[in-house]
Amino acid sequence: KQEVTQIPAALSVPEGENLVLNCSFTDSAIYNLQWFRQDPGKGLTSLLLIQSSQREQTSGRLNASLDKSSGRSTLYIAASQPGDSATYLCAVYWGKFQFGAGTQVVVTP
Amino acid sequence: GAVVSQHPSRVICKSGTSVKIECRSLDFQATTMFWYRQFPKQSLMLMATSNEGSKATYEQGVEKDKFLINHASLTLSTLTVTSAHPEDSSFYICSARDSRTSGSSNEQFFGPGTRLTVL
Repeated sequence: KQEVTQIPAALSVPEGENLVLNCSFTDSAIYNLQWFRQDPGKGLTSLLLIQSSQREQTSGRLNASLDKSSGRSTLYIAASQPGDSATYLCAVYWGKFQFGAGTQVVVTP
Repeated sequence: GAVVSQHPSRVICKSGTSVKIECRSLDFQATTMFWYRQFPKQSLMLMATSNEGSKATYEQGVEKDKFLINHASLTLSTLTVTSAHPEDSSFYICSARDSRTSGSSNEQFFGPGTRLTVL
């Protein structure tokens, strides 16, 4: 069964600290993996898309790595800010998207 | 970037009525659109895959006669919740894939969601 797991479920850090969010998946035969941000009551904002052939993607303070062999992806957010507070979702595409349950992040001023 | 809109953003209806939700790709064509449902504090669950000009493919456990999907054009898919009941109250989100992308790119663009409350 293809499953996506995100740990931790919730995370609170002081402003300025780096954030490390983990995503694991059970089947390494993925097409791609996408990280999203969701604010309360809102839709999804795409952050980074990593294709199966790639090892990492970077955008500004965000960096996402992909290790298919171990079934893991990590999202790093450098120098966190209160505006980074949101739920971060990892989604793996195996022909259709399977979402993780998300990590709820709170960055305190 | 590619933009997907949903209408309405929020709807409240009485039990037994039907509600239609629209999903539009504004600046690209989408042969495939996806409908998801998200219950409070839970992740997104794929309900169905909508293909332009053909019948939708529903996920296991999703009633196709209750959740009617129509994808009549390359920029519009609609989800109709028929005879809605309080347990259908949820956040419904659509996504669309740009038809110009090929192979395994499969980047999907998500709409802002529709909050359905059935009284």
